[in-house]
This record gives sequence, structure tokens and C-alpha cells, in this order.
Amino acid sequence: ETGVTQTPRHLVMGMTNKKSLKCEQHLGHNAMYWYKQSAKKPLELMFVYSLEERVENNSVPSRFSPECPNSSHLFLHLHTLQPEDSALYLCASSQPGTGKALHFGNGTRLTVT
Amino acid sequence: TQLLEQSPQFLSIQEGENLTVYCNSSSVFSSLQWYRQEPGEGPVLLVTVVTGGEVKKLKRLTFQFGDARKDSSLHITAAQPGDTGLYLCAGERGFQKLVFGTGTRLLVSP
Repeated sequence: ETGVTQTPRHLVMGMTNKKSLKCEQHLGHNAMYWYKQSAKKPLELMFVYSLEERVENNSVPSRFSPECPNSSHLFLHLHTLQPEDSALYLCASSQPGTGKALHFGNGTRLTVT
Repeated sequence: TQLLEQSPQFLSIQEGENLTVYCNSSSVFSSLQWYRQEPGEGPVLLVTVVTGGEVKKLKRLTFQFGDARKDSSLHITAAQPGDTGLYLCAGERGFQKLVFGTGTRLLVSP
């Protein structure tokens, strides 16, 4: 049981669909992250929220839209995705500060058809 | 981008063997973390090293941070099948920004 829960675990969507990924953390952390994990590529940081403010947007296309309504919840809204967006999307949380660990959820495996 | 290269990319060994995984960069990091990821799960933190030259031990795992804080190594003694997984190093650059390495996939056979 991880302190970071992601839903759904698997998602298949067409290129014209709109869907959302959800992340919830029960660790009392102040920072939340979205990472993308593709085959044969390093984990890519997409977005960082600290105290519900977006502090990092790592040149992510606008078809990905994050939302952080409070420090425990993070969403990633998906719209008109491309097949190359198929990947494992990982949510993480941490306390702020140097050397603080990321606590990851188990990810959402997204397939875009 | 600050690239963290891990080597080897893949390692398949027998139970009881020793191994070392390397994580190298041309950039300096304020800290470096090692994670292990098992299939169907997210990465889990193993250790954080902060000081250049620092060595940390976690049972059969020994982690070292390079003197210049640009590289790190992970040594596993007497590997066990439970050590199988994807090992990721991650260097901290700036406020809450971790750059992940390319990963080393380890398979330990009984």
C-alpha cells in the first residue's frame, strides 16, 4: 500500500477522447509531480506543484493540462492525444527541501489508439 | 538538459554474484538519489547521498557519491532474486527538480 494512489491503473483512449488521470496522496506532503515514463527513455518531469501553485512546466504540450485543487489531489486532464503519448504516467509527492525523497504512485498505463 | 547516463543498461546475473551499477554526468548535483522500480509499480527510494565522497550502506547495497558530486555508484553484494528490478539514479538540480538517469535493468536468476 503506497501513500500515493493513482487511478485508473490502465486507460485506453482514442485520439479524440477527453479523459483525466487522478492522483491522491495521504502523506501530508506539500509538493506533487507528474512524470512520464516511456520505453527506453529516462523518466521525464512534466509538472511540479508546490503548495498548489505550479512551479514547473517542462515544455509539455497543451494537450496535457494539470490541475491541483489542494495539496492532496492532482489531476492530469488529457485531450486529443497522439499515439506517441502512450506511456506510464507517474504521480509523486514530496516535502520541499534538498534531498527530499519522491514518493511515487503505481502509475497509470495509458494507451492512445 | 542534464543527462545522467547509467551503465550497464541491462545486467543478467546468477544469485550470489556481485555487481556494480554506475551513474555518470557532466553536471554537479546538490544530492543524488537511487530508486528501484519493480514491474507494475512506481519507483521506491533506496537512498539519498548529499556530500561528495559519501558512502552509504543498506544491507547488501553500498552507494557512493563521487567527490565532485557528478557521479555515483551502486554495488550489490551476493545478489538475490529479490534484487531484480529497474534501478534509477536521480540527480537534484534546483528547486524540487530531479533529473533521472537512463536506468539499469537487473535480473537475478536463482
